[in-house]
Amino acid sequence: AQTVTQSQPEMSVQEAETVTLSCTYDTSESDYYLFWYKQPPSRQMILVIRQEAYKQQNATENRFSVNFQKAAKSFSLKISDSQLGDAAMYFCAYRSYTSGTYKYIFGTGTRLKVLA
Amino acid sequence: ETGVTQSPTHLIKTRGQQVTLRCSSQSGHNTVSWYQQALGQGPQFIFQYYREEENGRGNFPPRFSGLQFPNYSSELNVNALELDDSALYLCASSLALAGPYNEQFFGPGTRLTVL
Repeated sequence: AQTVTQSQPEMSVQEAETVTLSCTYDTSESDYYLFWYKQPPSRQMILVIRQEAYKQQNATENRFSVNFQKAAKSFSLKISDSQLGDAAMYFCAYRSYTSGTYKYIFGTGTRLKVLA
Repeated sequence: ETGVTQSPTHLIKTRGQQVTLRCSSQSGHNTVSWYQQALGQGPQFIFQYYREEENGRGNFPPRFSGLQFPNYSSELNVNALELDDSALYLCASSLALAGPYNEQFFGPGTRLTVL
């Protein structure tokens, strides 16, 4: 079974600085998708960035980028020029395919605090 | 374009009761998934509906059941509520079952408290 591990329960970053959130996963599949979601206090889960496993190039979305290491099964999120609005819970998620069903497996999350 | 909506926002029930949570998919989305998010945890997959049929299920007992309607809105029903059912219930819809368009869009969730 696939698992997703986020080993950092909480991280802090100074405004305008860069922070990296870690995520590791375990799978025997060769083709899959990985995601980072942001959940602010309003509770609505928002997609931050997506990575297809067959693509070697790391995904980038404005200030957000990933470091995808397929062999190491590592998928970290880098947030550059951190802003106060980045403060939230961040979840790493793996999309698995089992018996004709796609489902998302989430990590336990990392709470990001942004210090002014 | 309307996003994913859920009702009610909050709900308080007592142990043994039954509850129905509702979700309206984003326009054009035919796939709906439900997740349970306990306090301080990541979401756990309950089940998924595709074109009104259950398409997959996580490790949840049969007292968790669902429906998807022709307009692709969905319900989550929980019978014989237990204290551990207290959680945020998230609904997510997607444009398609597979491929790059499987990106899930989440609703704001329903906070269920079981006393």
